Amino acid sequence: DTGVSQDPRHKITKRGQNVTFRCDPISEHNRLYWYRQTLGQGPEFLTYFQNEAQLEKSRLLSDRFSAERPKGSFSTLEIQRTEQGDSAMYLCASRKTGGEQYFGPGTRLTVT
Amino acid sequence: AQTVTQSQPEMSVQEAETVTLSCTYDTSENNYYLFWYKQPPSRQMILVIRQEAYKQQNATENRFSVNFQKAAKSFSLKISDSQLGDTAMYFCAFMNYKPGGGADGLTFGKGTHLIIQP
Repeated sequence: DTGVSQDPRHKITKRGQNVTFRCDPISEHNRLYWYRQTLGQGPEFLTYFQNEAQLEKSRLLSDRFSAERPKGSFSTLEIQRTEQGDSAMYLCASRKTGGEQYFGPGTRLTVT
Repeated sequence: AQTVTQSQPEMSVQEAETVTLSCTYDTSENNYYLFWYKQPPSRQMILVIRQEAYKQQNATENRFSVNFQKAAKSFSLKISDSQLGDTAMYFCAFMNYKPGGGADGLTFGKGTHLIIQP
C-alpha cells in the first residue's frame, strides 16, 4: 500500500492552455474522487468514479473540465482553456466500499 | 444539499492543553457519516476520526474524541494533551450513506487552523 499518488505536484501554466493531472489510487480501491481546494477553503467535490464509470459530476465541473478513469485504475483530470479562477489545489482521493477516503498530496495549479 | 459550518477560523492553545473544535451541519438525511480530517502545512489530508450517525456512542481515537449530538446536528472534536505536531488545518466533513453505492463525495467545512504553542 503506497498511498494515493498524484502527478505533477505543481503546475504553472498560462491562461488559455490545457493541463492534465493524473491520480493513481490505492490498488483495490474501486472508488475515486476529485476535489478542488482554494486558499483558505475546504475541498469541494468535483466528480466521482466507481470503477471506470463516472457516476456524478458537481455543477462546479464546467464544460472545460473532463475526467476519465479508463480501466478503473488511474484517473486523469483535464482542464481546457485554463482561466485564472482555475488556480487551486486539485486533490484526488480513493476508497474501497465501506472504507474511508484516502487523499493524495494534490496538484497545485497556478494559472498566470 | 448538505452544509457544514466551522465557526472558528483559528484557535491557539498551549502544548498539553485540551482543545475543542466546533462543527455544525445541516442535512435532511438520517443515515450519514461525519469525519474530522487534518491537513498539516504543505502535507496531505489525513483522517483523524469517523462517526456513523446511527451510532450513539461517540468515537474516540487515542487523544482524539468527538461529541456527536445528532438532534442538534453538532459534531465537535476534542484533542487532549495537545502536541506540537497537532498544528494543522482541521476540516469537518459530511458524507451521505448510500447502501447501494452512488455519489458519496465529502462535503467539507471551511476549516479551523489550530496552532499548538510550545
